[in-house]
Amino acid sequence: EIVLTQSPGTLSLSPGERATLSCRASQSVTNSHLAWYQQKPGQAPRLLIYLASTRASGIPDRFSGSGSGTDFTLTISRLEPEDFVLYYCYQYGSLPWTFGQGTTVEIK
Amino acid sequence: QLQLQESGPGLVKPSETLSLTCTVSGGSISSRTNYWGWIRQSPGKGLEWIGSIYFRGNDYYNPSLKSRVTLSVDTSENQVSLKLRSVTAGDTAVYYCARHAGMGAIHFDYWGQGIQVTVSS
Repeated sequence: EIVLTQSPGTLSLSPGERATLSCRASQSVTNSHLAWYQQKPGQAPRLLIYLASTRASGIPDRFSGSGSGTDFTLTISRLEPEDFVLYYCYQYGSLPWTFGQGTTVEIK
Repeated sequence: QLQLQESGPGLVKPSETLSLTCTVSGGSISSRTNYWGWIRQSPGKGLEWIGSIYFRGNDYYNPSLKSRVTLSVDTSENQVSLKLRSVTAGDTAVYYCARHAGMGAIHFDYWGQGIQVTVSS
């Protein structure tokens, strides 16, 4: 099973700043089959990025993904107030498909 | 707009079977291009993929749960169902159904709102 480790656990930033979230896999993720999800309190996860770097429909261009192999990054170029929530990475390259433990982006 | 809605009991007794249904609207569960999955979320274990199924019955399960889980599809009702046997307190979680964006190893694009299930006597 591929274990995804997200860092940091909590990221404290101010609106307008740049956020860089990391997701490291215990083994190489096949074909960069890695997605990022955003989760607001009391809601289901929302797809942001898939195939490591493809933005999902309707997602603002301040969200971008990069990486391959075992190291992946989600970047939010300029934080908006609604971006201060929880983010998960998810690999679907190898069964069983697994999620990271999450990174919380909080207002500094 | 595709919508998924989970339903079922919010409280299940230990050792019993948890049964949930996901009703799909705005789209067909018989789509030839989509699998349908279940994921759960608990404070202790985070997000955990349970299993996924195609309308023709092809399915995948998380090995950690495979011995206790069965997924099924009812095309006439446009529903996918989850049964988890011999539950314990460790199965307490919010359970989500979700659609795979395509066939095979594909991310989830649409999610239901989730249903809280508590295992307790």
